[in-house]
Amino acid sequence: NAGVTQTPKFQVLKTGQSMTLQCAQDMNHEYMSWYRQDPGMGLRLIHYSVGAGITDQGEVPNGYNVSRSTTEDFPLRLLSAAPSQTSVYFCASRTGAEGETQYFGPGTRLLVL
Amino acid sequence: ILNVEQSPQSLHVQEGDSTNFTCSFPSSNFYALHWYRWETAKSPEALFVMTLNGDEKKKGRISATLNTKEGYSYLYIKGSQPEDSATYLCASINAGGTSYGKLTFGQGTILTVHP
Repeated sequence: NAGVTQTPKFQVLKTGQSMTLQCAQDMNHEYMSWYRQDPGMGLRLIHYSVGAGITDQGEVPNGYNVSRSTTEDFPLRLLSAAPSQTSVYFCASRTGAEGETQYFGPGTRLLVL
Repeated sequence: ILNVEQSPQSLHVQEGDSTNFTCSFPSSNFYALHWYRWETAKSPEALFVMTLNGDEKKKGRISATLNTKEGYSYLYIKGSQPEDSATYLCASINAGGTSYGKLTFGQGTILTVHP
């Protein structure tokens, strides 16, 4: 199993550009989530999904869109990048069963100029 | 929005010291409490998942306790080593309503173990 994979590892964008951060998992997990990590803020939930076709907003959803057309993939789209979206983005997945842990991807470091 | 709080924010200890830190979380509709270890430039790695009041977990020198009635969990590290230096995150799941299934994270406790 590759676990949770994310691409790209690093990206530089100009303000106003759009892009998609890719996330995939091969563990057949129902739950997938996107977080951003900012200094002093811990991990904040952007969007999450409890299964294919089902998504919901987290704490900081503005400026981001998600879709879940398959169990494996959960892409995060930045519609019009802003410097405030400079961050490290982590994708994570888990089964949803009680007592089961969550697995994180390696992260995508995004710089918006 | 559920508040998960961790204290202290940072901690410096000497090699060999034992230490502990706290995670407080909403006690209503409790479902699970997760602890993660997060090293710089890496991804968070799971330490424990706790689900029952009075639950205790142990992995080597690290252990955790859970009190769901009052909404807190303690993480203990016995005989700290420099390789224990990391950020320790806790996250709770409080089932019911729109919070079902969401892991809400605290800000973390940054542990530095000095040789």
